[in-house]
Amino acid sequence: EAGVAQSPRYKIIEKRQSVAFWCNPISGHATLYWYQQILGQGPKLLIQFQNNGVVDDSQLPKDRFSAERLKGVDSTLKIQPAKLEDSAVYLCASSRGGLQHEQYFGPGTRLTVT
Amino acid sequence: GQQLNQSPQSMFIQEGEDVSMNCTSSSIFNTWLWYKQDPGEGPVLLIALYKAGELTSNGRLTAQFGITRKDSFLNISASIPSDVGIYFCAGQLGTGANNLFFGTGTRLTVIP
Repeated sequence: EAGVAQSPRYKIIEKRQSVAFWCNPISGHATLYWYQQILGQGPKLLIQFQNNGVVDDSQLPKDRFSAERLKGVDSTLKIQPAKLEDSAVYLCASSRGGLQHEQYFGPGTRLTVT
Repeated sequence: GQQLNQSPQSMFIQEGEDVSMNCTSSSIFNTWLWYKQDPGEGPVLLIALYKAGELTSNGRLTAQFGITRKDSFLNISASIPSDVGIYFCAGQLGTGANNLFFGTGTRLTVIP
């Protein structure tokens, strides 16, 4: 079974520029998550999708971050405009949903904002 | 959000030694998960615990779901160099949104 795919793996941008990350979850996983992991910390949830609907985006900085999962499979996370404090690893995870809550993570995209 | 405290923050051990780390919270969780993260990679699920008091093994790894539902521990027996990495606990409140909270991590170094 293929794992969660993410691209790009690395991205360096200047502040105030925009950037987009892509995620392809494990086949058949209805739930998709985006996490932000700042260096030295555990991942923090940004947004959770169930199929193509948003379940929770309470911790997403909506003035600059947006995410979509239009067809209920792939997802994109966008930052516009980026700030220095957005430098982090952005992890995508997926799970089957239901009573099995195990989340499986992709390799992440390391973003550096200069 | 919920606060999960892991201890120790870091460990240096000799190859072959056993390792124990734990995770505590002021909140009750319905599920505890343990992940390992290697540099440049996403967290990899090691063990999932669903019931208070549950003790589960996965090879050399053993984890327990605390009776109070506010803590969990992870043991690694006979450590090997590839055990090096950061171990995260994660607590889940139950069904619903925004319910997976990660601990602060324990960085493990194994000296050959």
